[in-house]
This record gives sequence, structure tokens and C-alpha cells, in this order.
Amino acid sequence: DIQMTQSPSAMSASVGDRVTITCRASQGIGNYLTWFQQKPGKVPKRLIYGVSTLQSGVPSRFSGSGSGTEFTLTISSLQPEDFASYYCLQHNSYPYTFGQGTKLEIK
Amino acid sequence: EVQLVESGGGLVQPGGSLRLSCAASGFTFSDYYMDWVRQAPGKGLEWVGRTRDKPNSYTTEYAASVKGRFTISRDDSKNSLFLQMNSLKTEDTALYYCTYPGCTSGWCLGDAWGQGTLVTVSS
Repeated sequence: DIQMTQSPSAMSASVGDRVTITCRASQGIGNYLTWFQQKPGKVPKRLIYGVSTLQSGVPSRFSGSGSGTEFTLTISSLQPEDFASYYCLQHNSYPYTFGQGTKLEIK
Repeated sequence: EVQLVESGGGLVQPGGSLRLSCAASGFTFSDYYMDWVRQAPGKGLEWVGRTRDKPNSYTTEYAASVKGRFTISRDDSKNSLFLQMNSLKTEDTALYYCTYPGCTSGWCLGDAWGQGTLVTVSS
């Protein structure tokens, strides 16, 4: 099985900060990497798929990049509504696997 | 608008069984692979499994943690997805989500999610 190691597991940041979250796969996953955002008590929401394709309606301050085994989600300028948990998902091979999540909190 | 409504969750004893359903609308259900994802209380997301479409013989894939105990099926005539859960363990306690991929041929996942149905396994 492919392991997805996401870092950091938690972080605090301020409005306006640039934030980067990383996911590292235990083997190559091509471009089958998706990022989700989940706010407390809410359903997960897809932000980015295919490593870097922004989901319709998602603000352009979110971006994804990477290749092979290392991938990043970047928020260019944090807004109050961005404080949430973020998860990466590899869907290159079965069983699909999520990263353990990053909880982004207000500093 | 895509809508997914799960049902069938509840309290069940270890070793018991439960069948979850997901009623889908707003898209041509038969054209899409469908996935189940779960989330234990206070924990992260875990992919449970997938069913492919009719051209791909409705074949299924599962996470190792549920393989041999859970079975995913679908009824395209009723736009419904199912998750049969047998030999339930306390670690199966979670909110179970039905998800719509948003693309055909299964290369993506998670474009839309239901609200989830809670399964609690406890004596």
C-alpha cells in the first residue's frame, strides 16, 4: 500500500500568512493527488485535483504543485475562513490512502 | 445539483451487521464509479472502497481494514449505492460518507459528498 505522510500535522498561522502543507508518498503516484479541506462539523470539500487543478469556485489563493512523490498545497494569503483541516489523497493505486491531515489554527 | 443522502447508520454490537444506503440524484448515476469514505470521531479521513460502473462489471475495491467484511453494491435503476458491513468491530465506529467522483472512468474522487451516516459499534 502507498503511505501518504503529511506535514505538519498541526500549525498555527496569522491572517495574511503564506502557508505550505506537504504530502510525501511512499512511491510514485503520477498526478493522482487531490487536496480536501474540512471545517469542524462539516463535510470535506475538494480544493485541488490532479496535483494542481483548482476545483471550480475555490479561491485562487489556493494552489497545488509537485510530482513523483512530493506534493504541496499552498495558501498564498491566509483568510479567516481558511482555518480548517486539510487532507491529501492519493488515488493512483488501490487501496487509496489519505494523509493524516493538517489542522491549521489561528495564531 | 448533485445530492447524496446516506441512511442506515445506528448502534450495533461487535460482530453484528449493518447495511448503509446512499440515494443519489442530480447526475446520471449509472455513468460513475462511486466511493465510500469514513471518518472515526475526531480522526482523519479513510477511504473504504469503490464500485465501478456496468461497463467495468461493477467490480469493487476495498481498504485492507474492511476487505472480506464489507461489500459495496449498487442499483443503477434506483440510483442507489450500498455498503453491507458484516463482522463489525469497535474500530469501524465512524461517520460514513458516500462520495461522487465528478468524472467518469474513475480517475478522480470526492467532487461531492453526502452528509454522512453515523455507525457506532459498541456493546
